[in-house]
Amino acid sequence: AQSVTQPDARVTVSEGASLQLRCKYSYFGTPYLFWYVQYPRQGLQLLLKYYPGDPVVQGVNGFEAEFSKSNSSFHLRKASVHWSDWAVYFCAVSMKTNTGKLTFGDGTVLTVKP
Amino acid sequence: GGIITQTPKFLIGQEGQKLTLKCQQNFNHDTMYWYRQDSGKGLRLIYYSITENDLQKGDLSEGYDASREKKSSFSLTVTSAQKNEMAVFLCASSRQGWGAETLYFGSGTRLTVL
Repeated sequence: AQSVTQPDARVTVSEGASLQLRCKYSYFGTPYLFWYVQYPRQGLQLLLKYYPGDPVVQGVNGFEAEFSKSNSSFHLRKASVHWSDWAVYFCAVSMKTNTGKLTFGDGTVLTVKP
Repeated sequence: GGIITQTPKFLIGQEGQKLTLKCQQNFNHDTMYWYRQDSGKGLRLIYYSITENDLQKGDLSEGYDASREKKSSFSLTVTSAQKNEMAVFLCASSRQGWGAETLYFGSGTRLTVL
């Protein structure tokens, strides 16, 4: 069965600093991988998604992620964090079958210090 | 663009009560989903529907019923609310339900059971 692990429940960074949020997945084959963000009192919004191909994926608001098959990872990065990035970030994996069902990690709460 | 509207935003119920949550989407998407989000946890799939009048169980369907009488709406019923239950229920939709598609989420219904 597919699964996703986000090992860091909380991450705190200073505004302007770089960011990496970790995601490890378990899936037989090559999956579709996603990062979603949830701002306070809102639903989830897509940041970026990975299709088999270029391992580095660009997303919105300066976010990018890198797929590694050897490490079973899909870590999210940003070069310079802004206070508005304060949110919960979810990594998710999907099967290739036509169901669109996502398996989510538990999320990482990002706090931005001024 | 489109929007997913969930009603009510807040729902307070009594133990044993049957409670209904509603979701409307104007994306004209075929597939709709109900996820449950517990504090500090990822999202777990309760039900999904790939077309009008279709229902598919997710990993957490016990204790819930769902209904998709129109393409644009998807309802979820908590058949017997559990005391001290607190969770956020998120509705989502995607164009056809294929694995690589983006899910679009509503802002959620917050359930509290007294």
